[in-house]
Amino acid sequence: NAGVTQTPKFQVLKTGQSMTLQCAQDMNHEYMSWYRQDPGMGLRLIHYSVGAGITDQGEVPNGYNVSRSTTEDFPLRLLSAAPSQTSVYFCASSNNRDPKGGYTFGSGTRLTVV
Amino acid sequence: GENVGLHLPTLSVQEGDNSIINCAYSNSASDYFIWYKQESGKGPQFIIDIRSNMDKRQGQRVTVLLNKTVKHLSLQIAATQPGDSAVYFCAESTSLYGGSQGNLIFGKGTKLSVKP
Repeated sequence: NAGVTQTPKFQVLKTGQSMTLQCAQDMNHEYMSWYRQDPGMGLRLIHYSVGAGITDQGEVPNGYNVSRSTTEDFPLRLLSAAPSQTSVYFCASSNNRDPKGGYTFGSGTRLTVV
Repeated sequence: GENVGLHLPTLSVQEGDNSIINCAYSNSASDYFIWYKQESGKGPQFIIDIRSNMDKRQGQRVTVLLNKTVKHLSLQIAATQPGDSAVYFCAESTSLYGGSQGNLIFGKGTKLSVKP
Protein backbone atom coordinates (compact mmCIF):
# COMPACT_ATOMS: atom_id res chain seq x y z
CA ASN A 1 0.00 0.00 0.00
CA ALA A 2 1.55 3.25 -1.15
CA GLY A 3 1.53 6.04 1.38
CA VAL A 4 2.86 7.28 4.69
CA THR A 5 2.72 4.90 7.64
CA GLN A 6 2.97 6.11 11.21
CA THR A 7 3.35 3.99 14.32
CA PRO A 8 2.14 3.82 16.98
CA LYS A 9 -1.35 5.29 16.58
CA PHE A 10 -1.69 5.99 20.30
CA GLN A 11 0.85 6.35 23.09
CA VAL A 12 0.80 7.40 26.73
CA LEU A 13 4.08 8.44 28.31
CA LYS A 14 5.11 9.55 31.74
CA THR A 15 6.95 12.83 32.12
CA GLY A 16 10.64 12.29 31.49
CA GLN A 17 10.28 9.13 29.41
CA SER A 18 11.70 8.93 25.93
CA MET A 19 10.22 7.39 22.83
CA THR A 20 10.44 7.36 19.05
CA LEU A 21 7.56 7.99 16.69
CA GLN A 22 8.04 6.07 13.50
CA CYS A 23 7.28 7.31 9.99
CA ALA A 24 7.85 5.40 6.76
CA GLN A 25 6.89 6.15 3.17
CA ASP A 26 7.16 3.92 0.11
CA MET A 27 6.72 6.56 -2.59
CA ASN A 28 10.44 7.41 -2.92
CA HIS A 29 9.72 10.95 -1.75
CA GLU A 30 12.75 13.07 -1.00
CA TYR A 31 10.98 15.46 1.32
CA MET A 32 9.62 14.38 4.71
CA SER A 33 8.42 16.40 7.65
CA TRP A 34 6.86 16.20 11.10
CA TYR A 35 4.00 18.39 12.29
CA ARG A 36 2.19 18.60 15.57
CA GLN A 37 -1.46 19.54 15.81
CA ASP A 38 -3.03 21.11 18.86
CA PRO A 39 -6.65 22.28 19.23
CA GLY A 40 -7.16 25.65 17.56
CA MET A 41 -3.51 25.84 16.49
CA GLY A 42 -3.48 24.24 13.08
CA LEU A 43 -0.40 22.21 12.16
CA ARG A 44 3.03 23.43 13.19
CA LEU A 45 6.25 22.19 11.63
CA ILE A 46 8.68 20.47 13.99
CA HIS A 47 11.48 19.17 11.74
CA TYR A 48 11.88 18.40 8.08
CA SER A 49 14.25 16.64 5.71
CA VAL A 50 14.93 17.28 2.03
CA GLY A 51 16.70 13.97 1.56
CA ALA A 52 18.63 11.18 3.24
CA GLY A 53 21.27 12.56 5.58
CA ILE A 54 19.78 16.06 5.65
CA THR A 55 17.52 17.42 8.39
CA ASP A 56 16.57 20.88 9.56
CA GLN A 57 14.45 22.58 12.19
CA GLY A 58 10.97 23.87 11.68
CA GLU A 59 8.86 26.24 13.76
CA VAL A 60 8.73 24.24 17.02
CA PRO A 61 11.81 21.94 17.20
CA ASN A 62 12.61 22.13 20.93
CA GLY A 63 12.37 18.79 22.71
CA TYR A 64 12.49 16.75 19.49
CA ASN A 65 15.26 15.11 17.47
CA VAL A 66 15.15 13.57 14.01
CA SER A 67 17.42 11.64 11.71
CA ARG A 68 17.15 10.55 8.08
CA SER A 69 19.41 7.61 7.39
CA THR A 70 17.27 6.30 4.53
CA THR A 71 14.87 7.84 2.03
CA GLU A 72 12.00 5.78 3.43
CA ASP A 73 12.20 6.48 7.17
CA PHE A 74 12.04 9.66 9.23
CA PRO A 75 11.71 8.89 12.96
CA LEU A 76 10.91 11.59 15.51
CA ARG A 77 12.46 11.22 18.96
CA LEU A 78 11.26 12.70 22.20
CA LEU A 79 14.25 12.64 24.54
CA SER A 80 12.45 13.58 27.78
CA ALA A 81 8.70 13.85 27.36
CA ALA A 82 6.85 16.82 28.88
CA PRO A 83 3.10 17.40 29.25
CA SER A 84 3.41 20.27 26.74
CA GLN A 85 4.23 17.64 24.12
CA THR A 86 0.78 16.12 24.42
CA SER A 87 -0.49 16.46 20.88
CA VAL A 88 -1.32 14.68 17.66
CA TYR A 89 1.74 14.18 15.48
CA PHE A 90 1.61 13.91 11.71
CA CYS A 91 4.32 12.87 9.31
CA ALA A 92 4.15 14.07 5.71
CA SER A 93 6.14 13.50 2.54
CA SER A 94 6.31 14.96 -0.93
CA ASN A 95 8.21 14.59 -4.18
CA ASN A 96 10.48 17.58 -4.57
CA ARG A 97 10.59 17.21 -8.32
CA ASP A 98 6.85 16.93 -8.79
CA PRO A 99 4.98 18.33 -5.82
CA LYS A 100 1.62 18.50 -7.58
CA GLY A 101 -0.86 17.05 -5.21
CA GLY A 102 0.78 18.54 -2.21
CA TYR A 103 2.00 16.52 0.69
CA THR A 104 0.85 13.04 1.64
CA PHE A 105 0.10 12.76 5.35
CA GLY A 106 0.10 9.78 7.63
CA SER A 107 -2.87 9.03 9.85
CA GLY A 108 -1.21 10.48 12.94
CA THR A 109 0.07 9.46 16.36
CA ARG A 110 -1.90 10.67 19.36
CA LEU A 111 0.53 11.20 22.23
CA THR A 112 -0.44 11.91 25.82
CA VAL A 113 2.22 12.81 28.38
CA VAL A 114 1.10 12.53 32.00
CA GLY B 1 -7.62 14.26 15.43
CA GLU B 2 -10.94 14.34 17.21
CA ASN B 3 -10.17 17.59 19.02
CA VAL B 4 -8.95 19.51 16.01
CA GLY B 5 -12.35 21.17 15.57
CA LEU B 6 -12.41 22.75 19.00
CA HIS B 7 -12.09 26.54 19.11
CA LEU B 8 -12.22 26.79 15.32
CA PRO B 9 -14.44 29.02 13.21
CA THR B 10 -17.41 26.98 12.12
CA LEU B 11 -19.40 27.15 8.92
CA SER B 12 -22.76 25.42 8.98
CA VAL B 13 -24.53 24.81 5.66
CA GLN B 14 -27.52 22.87 4.41
CA GLU B 15 -26.93 19.83 2.25
CA GLY B 16 -27.02 20.84 -1.39
CA ASP B 17 -26.00 24.45 -0.77
CA ASN B 18 -22.68 25.87 -1.86
CA SER B 19 -19.99 26.46 0.77
CA ILE B 20 -17.30 29.11 0.80
CA ILE B 21 -14.40 28.79 3.19
CA ASN B 22 -12.02 31.70 3.49
CA CYS B 23 -8.39 31.99 4.44
CA ALA B 24 -6.10 34.96 4.90
CA TYR B 25 -2.46 34.10 4.34
CA SER B 26 0.45 35.91 5.84
CA ASN B 27 3.41 35.97 3.47
CA SER B 28 3.26 38.09 0.33
CA ALA B 29 6.16 36.01 -1.03
CA SER B 30 4.13 32.78 -0.89
CA ASP B 31 3.98 31.17 -4.29
CA TYR B 32 1.99 28.03 -3.77
CA PHE B 33 -1.23 27.36 -1.89
CA ILE B 34 -3.03 24.18 -0.97
CA TRP B 35 -6.36 23.34 0.61
CA TYR B 36 -6.57 20.29 2.84
CA LYS B 37 -9.53 18.45 4.30
CA GLN B 38 -9.21 16.70 7.64
CA GLU B 39 -11.85 14.31 8.87
CA SER B 40 -12.07 13.30 12.48
CA GLY B 41 -9.26 10.96 13.47
CA LYS B 42 -7.45 11.20 10.15
CA GLY B 43 -4.57 13.07 8.63
CA PRO B 44 -5.06 16.03 6.28
CA GLN B 45 -6.01 15.08 2.74
CA PHE B 46 -5.12 17.12 -0.34
CA ILE B 47 -8.09 18.81 -2.05
CA ILE B 48 -6.74 21.32 -4.54
CA ASP B 49 -3.76 23.58 -5.07
CA ILE B 50 -3.01 26.80 -6.91
CA ARG B 51 0.10 28.71 -7.86
CA SER B 52 0.46 32.44 -7.44
CA ASN B 53 0.40 33.05 -11.22
CA MET B 54 -3.24 31.95 -11.26
CA ASP B 55 -6.30 33.46 -9.64
CA LYS B 56 -8.69 30.55 -10.05
CA ARG B 57 -8.50 26.83 -10.35
CA GLN B 58 -11.30 24.30 -10.55
CA GLY B 59 -11.52 20.70 -9.54
CA GLN B 60 -14.38 18.30 -9.11
CA ARG B 61 -17.03 20.27 -7.16
CA VAL B 62 -14.32 22.53 -5.74
CA THR B 63 -12.90 25.86 -6.85
CA VAL B 64 -10.04 27.77 -5.30
CA LEU B 65 -9.78 31.53 -5.73
CA LEU B 66 -6.64 33.50 -5.01
CA ASN B 67 -6.51 37.25 -4.47
CA LYS B 68 -2.88 38.22 -4.06
CA THR B 69 -3.68 41.89 -3.60
CA VAL B 70 -5.35 41.27 -0.26
CA LYS B 71 -3.61 37.94 0.46
CA HIS B 72 -6.85 36.00 0.50
CA LEU B 73 -7.66 32.47 -0.52
CA SER B 74 -11.06 30.85 -0.71
CA LEU B 75 -12.38 27.36 -1.26
CA GLN B 76 -15.79 26.94 -2.83
CA ILE B 77 -17.57 23.62 -2.57
CA ALA B 78 -20.55 23.13 -4.85
CA ALA B 79 -23.60 21.14 -3.78
CA THR B 80 -22.19 20.42 -0.34
CA GLN B 81 -22.75 16.89 0.91
CA PRO B 82 -22.69 15.38 4.43
CA GLY B 83 -19.41 13.71 3.51
CA ASP B 84 -17.86 17.17 3.14
CA SER B 85 -18.17 17.73 6.90
CA ALA B 86 -14.60 18.15 8.14
CA VAL B 87 -12.03 20.74 9.12
CA TYR B 88 -10.51 22.57 6.16
CA PHE B 89 -7.02 24.05 6.24
CA CYS B 90 -5.31 26.36 3.83
CA ALA B 91 -1.53 26.15 3.57
CA GLU B 92 0.99 28.44 1.92
CA SER B 93 4.55 27.96 0.75
CA THR B 94 7.22 30.18 -0.74
CA SER B 95 8.19 27.44 -3.16
CA LEU B 96 6.45 24.89 -5.29
CA TYR B 97 8.97 22.38 -4.03
CA GLY B 98 9.76 21.11 -0.58
CA GLY B 99 12.79 22.08 1.38
CA SER B 100 13.71 25.17 3.33
CA GLN B 101 12.00 27.41 0.80
CA GLY B 102 9.00 25.22 0.46
CA ASN B 103 7.81 24.27 3.91
CA LEU B 104 4.06 24.53 4.25
CA ILE B 105 2.64 27.01 6.73
CA PHE B 106 -0.88 26.03 7.78
CA GLY B 107 -3.77 28.24 8.74
CA LYS B 108 -5.76 27.39 11.85
CA GLY B 109 -8.63 25.80 9.97
CA THR B 110 -12.39 26.11 9.54
CA LYS B 111 -14.85 23.47 10.61
CA LEU B 112 -17.53 22.76 8.00
CA SER B 113 -20.74 21.22 9.29
CA VAL B 114 -23.28 20.00 6.73
CA LYS B 115 -26.87 19.62 7.87
CA PRO B 116 -28.86 16.93 6.05
